[in-house]
Amino acid sequence: EAGVAQSPRYKIIEKRQSVAFWCNPISGHATLYWYQQILGQGPKLLIQFQNNGVVDDSQLPKDRFSAERLKGVDSTLKIQPAKLEDSAVYLCASSFLSSRDEQYFGPGTRLTVT
Amino acid sequence: AQTVTQSQPEMSVQEAETVTLSCTYDTSENNYYLFWYKQPPSRQMILVIRQEAYKQQNATENRFSVNFQKAAKSFSLKISDSQLGDTAMYFCAFMRYPQGGSEKLVFGKGTKLTVNP
Repeated sequence: EAGVAQSPRYKIIEKRQSVAFWCNPISGHATLYWYQQILGQGPKLLIQFQNNGVVDDSQLPKDRFSAERLKGVDSTLKIQPAKLEDSAVYLCASSFLSSRDEQYFGPGTRLTVT
Repeated sequence: AQTVTQSQPEMSVQEAETVTLSCTYDTSENNYYLFWYKQPPSRQMILVIRQEAYKQQNATENRFSVNFQKAAKSFSLKISDSQLGDTAMYFCAFMRYPQGGSEKLVFGKGTKLTVNP
């Protein structure tokens, strides 16, 4: 069974530029999560989708971050414009039905904003 | 709001020995889940063990076991017969029991474990 795929693995941009990350969850998984992991900290949930609907986006900085999950499968997370403090690893995870089920994580995208 | 505290930023252990990682949490909830996740240097986070708060019996997965003290709000992870492949960041996490909806994982800051040969 293929795991959660993410791309790119690394990205370096200048502040005020925009960037997008892509995630392909495990086939058949209804719930998809985006986490931000700043160096030295645990992951923090940014947004959670169930199928193509948003379940929780309470910690998503909506003035600069946006996410979508078209057709309830793949998802993209966008930052526009980026700030220095957005430098982090962005992790995508998926679970079979809901947050009661085990979450499977992707390898992450390391973003550096200069 | 729930908080998770891991007081040991770094630990090391000799191969084949036993090590215990500490975790405390703060919540007013009675029903919840607790987790330990492992994040090796390659960064892919994997679930190590999960405990449901209503279960008094401590969870065990092969060489990994927990000591769950609900009254003390403590949830430590014991790794027996440590192996080089256990070298990783370990995160303790909390989730309220979902009631008709979804709940999010709240992570601690992690403990970096190094297993020495």
